Amino acid sequence: NAGVTQTPKFRILKIGQSMTLQCTQDMNHNYMYWYRQDPGMGLKLIYYSVGAGITDKGEVPNGYNVSRSTTEDFPLRLELAAPSQTSVYFCASSYSGTGAMGTQYFGPGTRLTVL
Amino acid sequence: DAKTTQPPSMDCAEGRAANLPCNHSTISGNEYVYWYRQIHSQGPQYIIHGLKNNETNEMASLIITEDRKSSTLILPHATLRDTAVYYCIVRAETSGSRLTFGEGTQLTVNP
Repeated sequence: NAGVTQTPKFRILKIGQSMTLQCTQDMNHNYMYWYRQDPGMGLKLIYYSVGAGITDKGEVPNGYNVSRSTTEDFPLRLELAAPSQTSVYFCASSYSGTGAMGTQYFGPGTRLTVL
Repeated sequence: DAKTTQPPSMDCAEGRAANLPCNHSTISGNEYVYWYRQIHSQGPQYIIHGLKNNETNEMASLIITEDRKSSTLILPHATLRDTAVYYCIVRAETSGSRLTFGEGTQLTVNP
């Protein structure tokens, strides 16, 4: 199993540009998550999904959109990039939301810089 | 989810046990204690979790006090590769529950 994979690893955007961060998991997990981590800080939840077709907002959803058309993929869309979105983005997945099966497994991250 | 308090940094000698404390005095009965670590900008790595009983796996041991208001993560024989930020997270047993990351403890293992 590759686990959770994310592309790209690095990206530089200009203010106002758009992009999609890709996330794929091959563990047949139902739950998927997007977090961002600013320098020296802990992770903050952006959006999560409990299954295909179902998404919900986390702590910091403004400026982002998500969709979940398949179990495996959970892309994160930035529509109008702003410098405040400069961060490292982590995708995670878990089989369920509770107990031992709720353990989240993380991808390697995408480092995004908006200039 | 209950708030957690961890020391910002700790040092440990290589080969010795590293004991990382966490206070979670407002924990509820259905909340689990999770530990993750993050090695220099990599994705967080799951270590261990528990509800009431002490737990052990191949990576670490988790000791939870009887009143559940605090816990300790034990790395029995720390190596240089264990240098990382360690996060103690209390998580409710509800659908889609998020992991709320605080600032964690920077553990530095010294040769």
